[in-house]
Amino acid sequence: EVQLVESGGGLVQPGGSLRLSCVASGFTFSDYSMNWVRQAPGRGLEYISAISTNGVSTYYANSVKGRFTISRDNSKNTLYLQLGSLRAEDMAVYYCARVSGGTLSFDIWGQGTMVTVSS
Amino acid sequence: DIQLTQSPPFLSASVGDRVTITCRASRVISKYLAWYQQKPGRAPYLLIYAVSTLRSGVPSRFSGSGSGTEFTLTISSLQPEDFATYYCQQLHSYPETWTFGPGTKVETK
Repeated sequence: EVQLVESGGGLVQPGGSLRLSCVASGFTFSDYSMNWVRQAPGRGLEYISAISTNGVSTYYANSVKGRFTISRDNSKNTLYLQLGSLRAEDMAVYYCARVSGGTLSFDIWGQGTMVTVSS
Repeated sequence: DIQLTQSPPFLSASVGDRVTITCRASRVISKYLAWYQQKPGRAPYLLIYAVSTLRSGVPSRFSGSGSGTEFTLTISSLQPEDFATYYCQQLHSYPETWTFGPGTKVETK
């Protein structure tokens, strides 16, 4: 079964850090660009970061640039998002999603992991 | 950056109704437009890609159309499982600005 499973969310104080992981299974992870999308409580979807198949090219939304770092380990079929200098507005469910090059869409999503930023 | 708007933001409908949601882009995005369905507490689910291509397994009551800057998602006969929030997404310029629309929540009337 093609699947993405996120982990690493939790409660963190403002200014703190957290690393999210997304483990892929059921497909050749290294063949796909990957992304992170977040959703604040009661809000819409915000596309925040992307990484190319080999990890060389990355993209960040302005809202997270300089504070978050996306990376991947193709030998472990794992995508990461390092969150730093966290703010209250970063509180959200964080989803990883696979880019289907053939359909140019996000065809597989993880179940999400919640990040709560609070003192 | 390309901005997306969706209308209406909320839609009250009954089972069996024909429902149409519109997504407008701030500039031409060609065929790179996808639609997602999200139910409460769940991850988004891809319904349609490349404006009008239905994902395998998605019921044929869903359809997409449009071009340029205006696109629509239509549900021909709303079913109980279709009450959800729908998002459009443009993927015109890789990977920058792969933005989502603000969403349309389809609620029961």
